[in-house]
This record gives sequence, C-alpha cells and structure tokens, in this order.
Amino acid sequence: EIVMTQSPATLSVSPGERATLSCRASQSVSSNLAWYQQKPGQAPRLLIYAASTRATGIAARFSGSGSGTEFTLTISSLQSEDFAVYYCQQYNNWPETFGQGTKVEIK
Amino acid sequence: EVQLVESGGGLVQPGRSLRLSCAASGFTFDDYAMHWVRQAPGKGLEWVSGISWSSTNIGYADSVKGRFTISRDNAKNSLYLQMNSLGAEDTALYYCAKDISGAGTYYFDYWGLGTLVTVSS
Repeated sequence: EIVMTQSPATLSVSPGERATLSCRASQSVSSNLAWYQQKPGQAPRLLIYAASTRATGIAARFSGSGSGTEFTLTISSLQSEDFAVYYCQQYNNWPETFGQGTKVEIK
Repeated sequence: EVQLVESGGGLVQPGRSLRLSCAASGFTFDDYAMHWVRQAPGKGLEWVSGISWSSTNIGYADSVKGRFTISRDNAKNSLYLQMNSLGAEDTALYYCAKDISGAGTYYFDYWGLGTLVTVSS
C-alpha cells in the first residue's frame, strides 16, 4: 500500500496570503495524484487531478505541481471560502490512498 | 445533474451485518466505475472499495478485505456495499463516489452526502 503523507497538519494563513500544502508518496505515483477540498458537513470536492490539472469550475488561484513522490497544492491568495481541509489522493495503484489532510485555518 | 444518494446506514451491534446502497442518477451509470470511501468521526478519508463498470475489476482496502463485498446493479443504477463482521473501527460516514473512468483506477469527480454507520453495543 502506498502511504501518502501531508504537511503541515494545520496551516494558519491570513486572507489574501499564499498557502502551500505538501503531499509526499512512499513510492512513485507518477502524476496520478488528485487534491480534494472538504468543508465541515460537506462531501469532498475535486480540485486538481493529474497532479496539476484543475477540475471543472475550480478557480485559477488553485494550482498543483509535482510528480513521482513530491506534490504541492498552492492557493495563491486565500479567500474566505478556501478555509477547509485539503486531502491528496494517489490513484496510481489500488488500494487508492489518501493523505491525512491539511487543515487551512484563518490566522 | 449527477446525484449520488447513499442509504442503509444506522446503528448496528458489533459482529452484525449491514448493507449500504447508493442510487445514482444524472449520468450513464454503467459507463463508470464506482467507489466507497469512508470517514470516521473527526478523521480523514479512507478508500474502502472500488468496482469497475462491468464488475470485472474489484478492489478492497486491507482493513475490510474478507468482510466487505462491493457490487453493482447497472439495470438499477445502484451500487452496494455488504458489510459483515462489523467492528467499532468501521464506525464512519460512508460516501459513494463516481470514478471518472470505467476501469476504476482514477480519481472521483462526484460524491454523495454519505450515510452514517455506527457500530456499538
């Protein structure tokens, strides 16, 4: 099983600032990585797939990068609606595995 | 509009069984693989199981292998999860999620709202 490790666990950011979230895979997943956003009481929402492609309707301030074992999700200028938990997911192999999540909170 | 509606959750005693269902609409169900993902209270996401469009490709997390069985009925646009020998560690909100492919080895573009399973005596 591929283990996905996200850091930091919590990120405190002021509105308008940049947020950088990391995700590391225990072995290469190529570019088979997705990012999801989850707000309290809601289902996860797909943000990024293939490591760097924004899903339909996702704002341009969200960007993804990386390949192999190291990945980054960047939110260029945090808006109030972006405070949430973010998960990375590898889909290179079954079982598909998620990171433990990064909570982005208001500083 | 794609809709995924889970049902079948509830309070169940340890060691007992439960069957979850997911009713799908708004897309051609038998073109896509489907998955179950769970989230324990206050915890992160855990992939549970996936099934390809034709049911020929099925996978399980190690934590549920041998106890849970995923299936689908394309005629009824429905996905199922039979859960046996339930333990406290299975307490979670169970989401149904649609794969972007038929094979089942990709990411999830739509999720339901989940059905809560609580295992307790």
